[in-house]
Amino acid sequence: EVQVVESGGGLVQPGRSLRLSCAASGFTFDDYAMHWVRQRPGKGLEWVSGISWNSGSIGYADSVKGRFTISRDNARNSLYLQMNSLRPEDTALYHCAKDRRSNLLVYMDVWGKGTTVTVSS
Amino acid sequence: EIVLTQSPATLSLSPGESATLSCRASQSVNNYLAWYQHKPGQAPRLLIYDASNRATGIPARFSGSGSGTDFTLTISSLEPEDFAVYYCQQRSNWPNPLTFGGGTKVEIK
Repeated sequence: EVQVVESGGGLVQPGRSLRLSCAASGFTFDDYAMHWVRQRPGKGLEWVSGISWNSGSIGYADSVKGRFTISRDNARNSLYLQMNSLRPEDTALYHCAKDRRSNLLVYMDVWGKGTTVTVSS
Repeated sequence: EIVLTQSPATLSLSPGESATLSCRASQSVNNYLAWYQHKPGQAPRLLIYDASNRATGIPARFSGSGSGTDFTLTISSLEPEDFAVYYCQQRSNWPNPLTFGGGTKVEIK
C-alpha cells in the first residue's frame, strides 16, 4: 500500500524549534518530489514547502521562508521539516504529501493524515 | 504570488443533484490547476490535475474544465460520499510558491 505517515508534532513554546518527519512506503521514494502542506484551525489548505527527488529544487511559502527547512533522506525513505523560531500562527495540522513528478513540484497525489503542531506558551 | 479565489464558499445540494464549483486565478496559470477533495479527519485526495485529467481511481462523475484564469469542477449526480470540502491548487510559475484556493464546502441540503 502506498502511504506516507507523519510524526513529530506536539506542543512547543513560541520561539522554539520542532522537527517533523514523514515515513514513506509502498513506492520508490527517490522517484518523486515531496511536500509539506498545513491546515490551520478552521482554515483551508496552505502549501508550506516542497523538495524535488534529489533535493536539487526546493521551495517555501513566504510565511515560513527563512524559518523552516525541508530535507529528505532517500536511503531512509524519509522527509523532514525543521521548524525554527515557531510562532503561534504556525499552529496547524501538518500533512506530508507525495508529488506526481520527480523533478518538478506540481500536484500531490498521496497524502498523510497529518501531525498536529501547537505553538503556545 | 498567484491568488486563487473559489466560489461559492458553501454549496447546499441534495444527493443526485449536480455541483458546479468555480476557481478563479489572479493571473493566468495556463492549465496548471488541480482539484482536491478533503473530508474531516481524512487525508486530502487528488481528483483532477492539469485542469481536466482525472487522477487514478477517480470516478467519471468528477470532471474539470477551464484554462487561463477560470476553472470549473463539476460533480454530476452527487453521491453521499461526495459531501466534503473541495480545493483548487495551482503550480503555474515554479519556483514561485504553489497556492491553494480557500475551498468550497459541498454540504447536504
